[in-house]
Amino acid sequence: DAMVIQNPRYQVTQFGKPVTLSCSQTLNHNVMYWYQQKSSQAPKLLFHYYDKDFNNEADTPDNFQSRRPNTSFCFLDIRSPGLGDAAMYLCATSSEDGGLYGYTFGSGTRLTVV
Amino acid sequence: AQKVTQAQTEISVVEKEDVTLDCVYETRDTTYYLFWYKQPPSGELVFLIRRNSFDEQNEISGRYSWNFQKSTSSFNFTITASQVVDSAVYFCALIKAAGNKLTFGGGTRVLVKP
Repeated sequence: DAMVIQNPRYQVTQFGKPVTLSCSQTLNHNVMYWYQQKSSQAPKLLFHYYDKDFNNEADTPDNFQSRRPNTSFCFLDIRSPGLGDAAMYLCATSSEDGGLYGYTFGSGTRLTVV
Repeated sequence: AQKVTQAQTEISVVEKEDVTLDCVYETRDTTYYLFWYKQPPSGELVFLIRRNSFDEQNEISGRYSWNFQKSTSSFNFTITASQVVDSAVYFCALIKAAGNKLTFGGGTRVLVKP
């Protein structure tokens, strides 16, 4: 089945130690998104790629970076994780018009910072 | 700017009761899409429904039904004869046509007790 896969499902990292979360898709969607969801809060968009074009949200901290080496993969890099970065990170994909064609979300990576 | 408000943070019901989740939105766009997602404890976002701004027909899918009223900018969701498996957080979301940013409401936690 076409899907969005996030690895790992759970990630524990040390305070200040760089960490990378990965997302892959078999849907061949143009757009890939990273959302951060803290406990009991709504998902918050960090950034998205439209093909190779990177679109950062204005309030996304510089500590968060992303790479999309090809259509299928997208990575979220946290350069120096702080305790406040502990959250569920959700990857999603869509075609050009996400509203019309819908979104597909991965199962998420739950990040713990110790 | 777009905004989605889910005034109910938590609803607790006993199994077989009906439960209605409110969603009110704000947008200046004339064409937009509304979504409902379910997020069980495992964390993934499960798509429930998408509705475009020109389609005000109510929809029923099994025990789920949705009431879209453009005049009041509301898109409410009812679970009929609730079951324990319905326990989850439910998110209402909005996106403008051809847009790439899905705006989520704060979510409503539904707890169905046996």
